[in-house]
Amino acid sequence: QVQLVQSESELKKPGASVKISCKTSGYNFNTYAINWVRQAPGQGLEWMGWLNTNTGKPTYAQGFTGRFVFSFYSSASTAYLEIAGLKAEDTALYYCARNYGGGGFDYWGQGSLVTVSS
Amino acid sequence: QSVVTQPPSASGTPGQTVTISCSGSSSNIGSNNVNWYQQLPGTAPRLLISANNQRPSGVPDRFTASKSGTSASLAISGLQSEDEAHYYCAAWEDRLNGWVFGGGTKLTVL
Repeated sequence: QVQLVQSESELKKPGASVKISCKTSGYNFNTYAINWVRQAPGQGLEWMGWLNTNTGKPTYAQGFTGRFVFSFYSSASTAYLEIAGLKAEDTALYYCARNYGGGGFDYWGQGSLVTVSS
Repeated sequence: QSVVTQPPSASGTPGQTVTISCSGSSSNIGSNNVNWYQQLPGTAPRLLISANNQRPSGVPDRFTASKSGTSASLAISGLQSEDEAHYYCAAWEDRLNGWVFGGGTKLTVL
């Protein structure tokens, strides 16, 4: 069965970096895009961008350029989200989710909580 | 402020039908498919409806959706207590070249 399993929660200090993993299984990793979605505490869903797992090209939404990097390791069927220069406002749940073409996000990871606090 | 707007809350009693609206523009809902997601408390979102009105496998037929022009709606019939959740619509936004989510609607089952 299709699964997206994310890394555990992280507590980081301002200015540090964090790298979240999204390990997929049960399907051909290179066939589906991986999207990243942020959910700040008590807030709604915000699309951060997507990673073309076939070409390796990342696309970042407005507001998620510069400090955010999408990457993947195809042989491990794993995608990554790295955030540099963490700020308090980066405190949120981060989800990975797959989709095909322009379709909906049909499978989601369980979410990785990143807390930024001194 | 999202480019796609939803009412922040909705409510109904068990057995009722509740409708949640999603309003956009010609550059998102007006020209692209709408997807709906359900987020139960403390869980990841789940795809409820894709391509305006298609239910993925496992989604009860109590959930139906439609799109007209630049608006879409999700209807939940035979409301049950386990339907209490946040519901989000989403569509591709041509001007931003990316996905946009509505702000979400919290459904309360009274």
